[in-house]
Amino acid sequence: AQKITQTQPGMFVQEKEAVTLDCTYDTSDPSYGLFWYKQPSSGEMIFLIYQGSYDQQNATEGRYSLNFQKARKSANLVISASQLGDSAMYFCAMGRLGQGGKLIFGQGTELSVKP
Amino acid sequence: GAGVSQSPSNKVTEKGKDVELRCDPISGHTALYWYRQSLGQGLEFLIYFQGNSAPDKSGLPSDRFSAERTGGSVSTLTIQRTQQEDSAVYLCASSPPTATGELFFGEGSRLTVL
Repeated sequence: AQKITQTQPGMFVQEKEAVTLDCTYDTSDPSYGLFWYKQPSSGEMIFLIYQGSYDQQNATEGRYSLNFQKARKSANLVISASQLGDSAMYFCAMGRLGQGGKLIFGQGTELSVKP
Repeated sequence: GAGVSQSPSNKVTEKGKDVELRCDPISGHTALYWYRQSLGQGLEFLIYFQGNSAPDKSGLPSDRFSAERTGGSVSTLTIQRTQQEDSAVYLCASSPPTATGELFFGEGSRLTVL
C-alpha cells in the first residue's frame, strides 16, 4: 500500500527566507510520481510541482524546488524567497504512473509567512 | 470561465436526504476525478473517469455514493440517504491527456449534513 507522511502540522517562515516542507512516502511500486499542491484559504487546490520516480534531476518550478531523495523515500518541497502570498496549506501527494491523477495525499502542512 | 466549475458551492441538507453535486471540467480534459476533504484533513480519492473507459470506483466509501459522467464532460456525484459523516468538501478535478497526471481542481462543494 502507498502512504504519504507530512510530519509538520504547521510552519512559520520570515518573508524573503527559504523554507523546507517535509514529505516522506512509502510504496512498493517501481514507477510513481510525487506532487505538491497548495491550498490557500479560498479552498482551491493549486498544482505546484511534479517529480517522477525515474527523473534523475530534482524538479524546479520558479521559486519551488523538490528535494527528491529516492533512497530515503523523501520528497521535500523547498520554497525560496518566501512571500506573504505563500501562506497556505501545502499537500504532498503520490500516484502510480499510468494511473493519472488518482493520488493519495498527506495530511498537509500549514505554512505562515511573517512580514 | 476556463477552470473547473462546481455547483453548488455550499449545500446544507438533513440526514437521510439525497444530494447531487455537479462538476464541469476544463474543456478538452479527458480525465475527471472526485475527491473528498474532511475538516482539517488531506484529500481522499473517491472516483476517476478516463475517457470512455469504465470508471475507477475504488475510493467510494459506500454504495450510497455514485457518480456518472455524461458525454465525456459534466459529472454528477450523488450521495443517497446522507449521514452526518458525509459532511465534507467535495472537490472535483480534471486533467489533460498527459503522463504526469497534474490535476486542475475546482473550488469544491461544501456539504453539511445536519
